[in-house]
Amino acid sequence: KQEVTQIPAALSVPEGENLVLNCSFTDSAIYNLQWFRQDPGKGLTSLLLIQSSQREQTSGRLNASLDKSSGRSTLYIAASQPGDSATYLCAVKSNQAGTALIFGKGTTLSVSS
Amino acid sequence: DAGVTQSPTHLIKTRGQQVTLRCSPKSGHDTVSWYQQALGQGPQFIFQYYEEEERQRGNFPDRFSGHQFPNYSSELNVNALLLGDSALYLCASSFGGEQFFGPGTRLTVL
Repeated sequence: KQEVTQIPAALSVPEGENLVLNCSFTDSAIYNLQWFRQDPGKGLTSLLLIQSSQREQTSGRLNASLDKSSGRSTLYIAASQPGDSATYLCAVKSNQAGTALIFGKGTTLSVSS
Repeated sequence: DAGVTQSPTHLIKTRGQQVTLRCSPKSGHDTVSWYQQALGQGPQFIFQYYEEEERQRGNFPDRFSGHQFPNYSSELNVNALLLGDSALYLCASSFGGEQFFGPGTRLTVL
């Protein structure tokens, strides 16, 4: 059974700092991995999608990497801003289970000005 | 493109009642998935609909049922509500790959 873990559960940093959020999964047979952002009480916004054949994806100040063999992904946020404060969720799509996304519990980020 | 839309935004019910939540997928998307997110947790997969059929189901009881219409919109029905059903219910649509989520419906069961 696929399990997704995100560390740390919460993170507080000053504005301008570069930071890394971690995601690990137990079954390396994944189809893809997505990183989402969630503001309090709101829906999910897709940030980056990495296919199983890819090593990384970049969008603006965000960079996500994928190491299937070790079951790990990282989300790198450069030059953090107060507007980056939110919960970041990692989700994997297992090519065995089909089409459901399996989520971690998220990392709640707070960026202070 | 309006993206994925859900209604209602908030809902308050009492134990034992029944509820129906609605979702309209992103234009061009034919697949709708439903997720339940309890406070402080990641979303949990309920089920997915494709071509008006339930294609995959997560570990949820039969009290949770759904439907997909010919225009790809979908409903989630929950019978005999329990306090533990209080959560944010998220709908996601896709066309073969990346899933796009709606804003969710916040259900409170008293």
